[in-house]
Amino acid sequence: EPEVTQTPSHQVTQMGQEVILRCVPISNHLYFYWYRQILGQKVEFLVSFYNNEISEKSEIFDDQFSVERPDGSNFTLKIRSTKLEDSAMYFCASSSPGQYNSPLHFGNGTRLTVT
Amino acid sequence: KNQVEQSPQSLIILEGKNCTLQCNYTVSPFSNLRWYKQDTGRGPVSLTIMTFSENTKSNGRYTATLDADTKQSSLHITASQLSDSASYICVWNDYKLSFGAGTTVTVRA
Repeated sequence: EPEVTQTPSHQVTQMGQEVILRCVPISNHLYFYWYRQILGQKVEFLVSFYNNEISEKSEIFDDQFSVERPDGSNFTLKIRSTKLEDSAMYFCASSSPGQYNSPLHFGNGTRLTVT
Repeated sequence: KNQVEQSPQSLIILEGKNCTLQCNYTVSPFSNLRWYKQDTGRGPVSLTIMTFSENTKSNGRYTATLDADTKQSSLHITASQLSDSASYICVWNDYKLSFGAGTTVTVRA
């Protein structure tokens, strides 16, 4: 069964550094998402992406965050200047057309640790 | 204010037993209500998706119900297995997915 893959599985970075989290969504999916989960807390929506542009974003997704689909298969989340509070598990997800009643398929996440 | 409240926060059951998890929501309208299973350290996996017109939806040993009048949903796990140990999350879709805090289920042999 096709799946969403994320790399790396664990990223350690120093405060103030830039990080890029990478995702390969399921190939025929058109909607892409990033979510994050701080340890012990609930999953939080960051951003949704469709037709090569952001369709919706949360208040968490400030100017330090950006997303890109550089080559038609990868979907990336960039954090320009990481803060300690950015430490979390970041999940990429994708869904097929018929977005509102289609299940989101999640990757297994990238654990980001900011020191 | 939380728009979804899940209960209990956690529970422990013996293998082979049934259990029911509750989700009470205040947000409406929304396009659908979902239940996800999240194993520790893994991404959430979709179990069921229900629209307003559906009262029940099954996926193997998992059965979800939805009562739009009382704004309650439940997830029933039948004949639990050790692999059912996970967090079960009620999720509503108001054009983006919003996750509840989840119920942590531990199944013991």
